[in-house]
Amino acid sequence: AQSVTQLDSQVPVFEEAPVELRCNYSSSVSVYLFWYVQYPNQGLQLLLKYLSGSTLVESINGFEAEFNKSQTSFHLRKPSVHISDTAEYFCAVSIQGAQKLVFGQGTRLTINP
Amino acid sequence: DTGVSQDPRHKITKRGQNVTFRCDPISEHNRLYWYRQTLGQGPEFLTYFQNEAQLEKSRLLSDRFSAERPKGSFSTLEIQRTEQGDSAMYLCASSPVMGISGNTIYFGEGSWLTVV
Repeated sequence: AQSVTQLDSQVPVFEEAPVELRCNYSSSVSVYLFWYVQYPNQGLQLLLKYLSGSTLVESINGFEAEFNKSQTSFHLRKPSVHISDTAEYFCAVSIQGAQKLVFGQGTRLTINP
Repeated sequence: DTGVSQDPRHKITKRGQNVTFRCDPISEHNRLYWYRQTLGQGPEFLTYFQNEAQLEKSRLLSDRFSAERPKGSFSTLEIQRTEQGDSAMYLCASSPVMGISGNTIYFGEGSWLTVV
């Protein structure tokens, strides 16, 4: 079975500082990897995904994540955060060919001015 | 594209009562998913449909839970004889036929259930 561990439940950072949200997964077969963001009182929105190809994937709002197969990680990074990035971030994994997403516990990103 | 719509957004019910949630997926999305999210946790998969066929159910979906998608469009999730442990947010999502492998899964804003 697959599992996802998000190592930090909360990450406070100052505005314009860099941030890294860590995600490690466990799977015996090839997987797809995702980051979702959940703003207060809203549903989950896909931030970015790794399916195949380049191990570095980017979102339209400046986030990026790198798939590291040897370390079974998919950490999310942003070089300079904004107040509007305050949200809960979920890492998720799916077995290739399956339909089920397995989510981590989430990381709450808080941006301080 | 109006997004995935869920109703009601909030429901408070007494223990032992039945509740039903409705989900309207994005039109023409063949696949529809239900997830449950408790406070401080990530969403957990419950079940998914392709058109009207329910193709996978999690062990989390006890016999008190039933989901249907009778015409391959909207779906309902019913919980019978609710228990306090059922208190959670129930998330619905949909995707085109390629599912996770090629297309984005779109989530609704969820239906909050509080069992008192």
